[in-house]
Amino acid sequence: QKEVEQNSGPLSVPEGAIASLNCTYSDRGSQSFFWYRQYSGKSPELIMFIYSNGDKEDGRFTAQLNKASQYVSLLIRDSQPSDSATYLCAVENTDKLIFGTGTRLQVFP
Amino acid sequence: EAGVAQSPRYKIIEKRQSVAFWCNPISGHATLYWYQQILGQGPKLLIQFQNNGVVDDSQLPKDRFSAERLKGVDSTLKIQPAKLEDSAVYLCASSPWAGTLANEQFFGPGTRLTVL
Repeated sequence: QKEVEQNSGPLSVPEGAIASLNCTYSDRGSQSFFWYRQYSGKSPELIMFIYSNGDKEDGRFTAQLNKASQYVSLLIRDSQPSDSATYLCAVENTDKLIFGTGTRLQVFP
Repeated sequence: EAGVAQSPRYKIIEKRQSVAFWCNPISGHATLYWYQQILGQGPKLLIQFQNNGVVDDSQLPKDRFSAERLKGVDSTLKIQPAKLEDSAVYLCASSPWAGTLANEQFFGPGTRLTVL
């Protein structure tokens, strides 16, 4: 079983829609969860982190965490073509990050 | 504030050759990481340094990979000899600390290695 799982996509959404990206993890002891955005040919860029159950909002982005279900998600409201990228979920495990394979998001005009 | 610097940005070598990558972390960052990102996959941690000591190198193929962080600042990652499957982007990242709940890592631009 992979430690951090994501659907590789691509997830295609129209401009202005809500994009929903999901991630599950296997280690119940994980405490910190991160979402990175990676444009093609570029390095990952941190966009959100969440530590507590519930929702955390930052602009158009909302991270949701459910530790009981070992599930973390990222919602992008009012999606823009510039949001087209790969979104990597990362889970902290004994002071190191374990990354998923990423979900490729395509936002079309 | 300057970001994480890496060089070279691109490298093409033939199998069995050696290669070295360099990383300069953000000033004052105690923790430095080297990741390998194969196309279509997420980054995989190779080695983690806390100052100039190794914290975790459990996924570093030690028969061919080596890394050092002299004086707790810059770091080099070496592959000798390279194999075809080493073709990947090698990412360096740094973090201000190694705390358990605030592990924000800042990535450098990466070095894209192609092994022919």
